[in-house]
Amino acid sequence: EVQLVQSGGGWVQPGGSLRLSCVASGFSVSGHFMNWVRQAPGKGLEWVSVFFAGGSTYYADSVKGRFTISRDNLKNTLYLQMNSLRPEDTAVYYCARSFSPEINSWGQGTLVTVSS
Amino acid sequence: QLVLTQSPSASASLGASVKLTCTLSSGDRNYAIAWHQQQPEKGPRYLMKVNNDGSSTNGDGIPGRFSGSSFGAERYLTISSLQSEDEADYYCQTWVTGIPVFGGGTKLTVL
Repeated sequence: EVQLVQSGGGWVQPGGSLRLSCVASGFSVSGHFMNWVRQAPGKGLEWVSVFFAGGSTYYADSVKGRFTISRDNLKNTLYLQMNSLRPEDTAVYYCARSFSPEINSWGQGTLVTVSS
Repeated sequence: QLVLTQSPSASASLGASVKLTCTLSSGDRNYAIAWHQQQPEKGPRYLMKVNNDGSSTNGDGIPGRFSGSSFGAERYLTISSLQSEDEADYYCQTWVTGIPVFGGGTKLTVL
């Protein structure tokens, strides 16, 4: 059974940093496109970043230069390092697996609150 | 730039059917899409993939009363025999060179 279990997140002041983790089971993260998607309070889904199976990474313009996506194949885990956080980064963050290549699996989500 | 357009809201009665629409921006009618459901206070759940030829494939565990279809630049999600738990936000999603693109979502109210 495919499962994505997230951890990390919480409250941080503007300018601070957080790291999100997403542990996968039932498949290998190295063989799939793995995404981070966020949802600000009361808003829709917004794609944040992707780690392609081949190793390339891409970011939404709103987070480029501040966020870094990475993966640990041995731990079968996806990460999102978030630096220089802003209040507008406040959202629930989801990891999501792409397959052929629509997203077909979601993590449970983790809340990130950026506030002073 | 590819844009997916959804109506902000829809409503239908318990036990009835409803058809939600996702419209691909002009010139992009060959794209397949996925539909995702987000119940209140929950994370998204993958429902299905809808191809540009009208064929669709439901995700694991998704009941057959959820079905997909397409016509031109429009992609549809039809939910039959509406139940109270179908009250949710529904998002369509496609991809450009592997990067996901989301529609704005439709809030479905079951009356």
